[in-house]
Amino acid sequence: GAVVSQHPSRVICKSGTSVKIECRSLDFQATTMFWYRQFPKKSLMLMATSNEGSKATYEQGVEKDKFLINHASLTLSTLTVTSAHPEDSSFYICSAGSGGGQPQHFGDGTRLSIL
Amino acid sequence: GQQLNQSPQSMFIQEGEDVSMNCTSSSIFNTWLWYKQDPGEGPVLLIALYKAGELTSNGRLTAQFGITRKDSFLNISASIPSDVGIYFCAGQKTGANSKLTFGKGITLSVRP
Repeated sequence: GAVVSQHPSRVICKSGTSVKIECRSLDFQATTMFWYRQFPKKSLMLMATSNEGSKATYEQGVEKDKFLINHASLTLSTLTVTSAHPEDSSFYICSAGSGGGQPQHFGDGTRLSIL
Repeated sequence: GQQLNQSPQSMFIQEGEDVSMNCTSSSIFNTWLWYKQDPGEGPVLLIALYKAGELTSNGRLTAQFGITRKDSFLNISASIPSDVGIYFCAGQKTGANSKLTFGKGITLSVRP
């Protein structure tokens, strides 16, 4: 089945650091990838939609200069949390879709902890 | 933003029992999906439904796409301890690469 790999699975870093999270589709070409944020015991909150070769579309209230998204190839999208602060600590999850009627599949998530 | 309605927030059942979860919306969705999430992991797709009225099974799981396209249910039969987790419903309005709208999830606990 479709496999989406997310890396790293856990990051702990100091306030002010920029953190990059990778999302890869391992066995299919992902024309679209999505980035979500999830707080404890809450549902997934869509942050942005990333289409290969074009600028990401951000959801209302999500700072695009804070959460930089790059989707340079059909198998890789990255989310960079710039100058991270403790309030950015969260579980970040990506999903990828190949289109063609196939459902989206999720990565295993990245637990980001900012000290 | 809009969310699908899932309730109750938590369900507690005995191993071996069947359980049914419902998901409703005030608007129409053209695709309904059910995902299960274990702690510290991403959601895993259980069942995808593409046509109103469709009934689809995946092992002990059965899900239906409501005729009105505003609801879906998921049944788990003969529950086992590894069924524990959070079950999310999700809807899509347009194509497979359109964004998902999620329910708040139902946390299922299974007593051995």
